Amino acid sequence: QKEVEQDPGPLSVPEGAIVSLNCTYSNSAFQYFMWYRQYSRKGPELLMYTYSSGNKEDGRFTAQVDKSSKYISLFIRDSQPSDSATYLCAMSSSNTGKLIFGQGTTLQVKP
Amino acid sequence: GAVVSQHPSRVICKSGTSVKIECRSLDFQATTMFWYRQFPKKSLMLMATSNEGSKATYEQGVEKDKFLINHASLTLSTLTVTSAHPEDSSFYICSARRDRVAEAFFGQGTRLTVV
Repeated sequence: QKEVEQDPGPLSVPEGAIVSLNCTYSNSAFQYFMWYRQYSRKGPELLMYTYSSGNKEDGRFTAQVDKSSKYISLFIRDSQPSDSATYLCAMSSSNTGKLIFGQGTTLQVKP
Repeated sequence: GAVVSQHPSRVICKSGTSVKIECRSLDFQATTMFWYRQFPKKSLMLMATSNEGSKATYEQGVEKDKFLINHASLTLSTLTVTSAHPEDSSFYICSARRDRVAEAFFGQGTRLTVV
């Protein structure tokens, strides 16, 4: 079993839809959770960073962490064609500092 | 967010030669830098973790004599691919963190092609 599981998709939605992206993990030591967006042939861009459980909102993006279920989510409201990219979840614990990534979910937002 | 600059963005080299890739944190001091390799349509594979002033820690299966990592200052880490072969062709990406618990910022990536 991988430490972090993420459905690779692809996920296709119409413009304006609410998108839900999810990851599950097995290591209870993870405390720091990140979501990245990666366009083709580019480095990942940090979207959200959260510590422990709870919600965090930034513009159209909302990140949720449920440590009891070992489940994290990223919601994108009013999705735009420019949101079409691969979304990667990542997490780490304080003892190693290493980021462990999910496989990434490919999202396509159709105009 | 903080800025991490990676150079070059693209390099083509002949088989048997060495290639150096630089990763710089432009507006913060990075105590830890990471080097990843990414294959097409795949996630990032961690190659090694480098802490400023100490030897890099390599992941299992990564040849440390082939992929030389130096983290000489708090703003610069380098990855040297020695005696490159076509199977080393890939997308290499660095990331930097202020400390173990801070968010990680990524460089733009380097596409290496060995011919």
